[in-house]
Amino acid sequence: QQKVQQSPESLTVSEGAMASLNCTFSDGTSNNFRWYRQHSAKGLEVLVSIFSDGEKEEGRFTAHLNRANLHVSLHIREPQPSDSAVYLCAVSLQGGSAKLIFGEGTKLTVSS
Amino acid sequence: AQTIHQWPVAEIKAVGSPLSLGCTIKGKSSPNLYWYWQATGGTLQQLFYSITVGQVESVVQLNLSASRPKDDQFILSTEKLLLSHSGFYLCAWRDWGTSAETLYFGSGTRLTVL
Repeated sequence: QQKVQQSPESLTVSEGAMASLNCTFSDGTSNNFRWYRQHSAKGLEVLVSIFSDGEKEEGRFTAHLNRANLHVSLHIREPQPSDSAVYLCAVSLQGGSAKLIFGEGTKLTVSS
Repeated sequence: AQTIHQWPVAEIKAVGSPLSLGCTIKGKSSPNLYWYWQATGGTLQQLFYSITVGQVESVVQLNLSASRPKDDQFILSTEKLLLSHSGFYLCAWRDWGTSAETLYFGSGTRLTVL
């Protein structure tokens, strides 16, 4: 059973400083890895999807995937107070169900 | 552009009462649709998925059922709510358009069972 763990549990950064979030998973054969953002129990906003080792950038959000180390990270460049939210790492299992296994999230607070 | 709409936004229901949550997607034909559930303070879990009209697969047993009556509609329901059904329900659709397929989520329904 794929397990997804995120760290840190919570993170506070100053506006403009880089924010880095981590996610480790237990099964390296998974297809895709995604980072989502959730504001106050609202719907999820997809930030970055990555499926091959290396880096993928979407605006101010950059994901790094290293399957050998079972690790995917998210870096937020120049974070703003509006970026304060819970960030969720999701790992997909192979097969038609598109079952995503989510981590428990990192609560990011960006102070102005 | 595709849009996904969930209703209601929030519900407060009594234990033992019935429930029906809806999800509609526009702008995408024959979408793969999914129901996810997030208990308060818990992680998101996939409940059901549907590839086509009339076909629904259950992923987690929570005394809930789902139906796909139309191509663009996915319904989550139960005849008798339990306290443990409280939480946040999200509908999602799967985009195959890019090489890294992604699930896009609706804005969710907050369910409180008393």
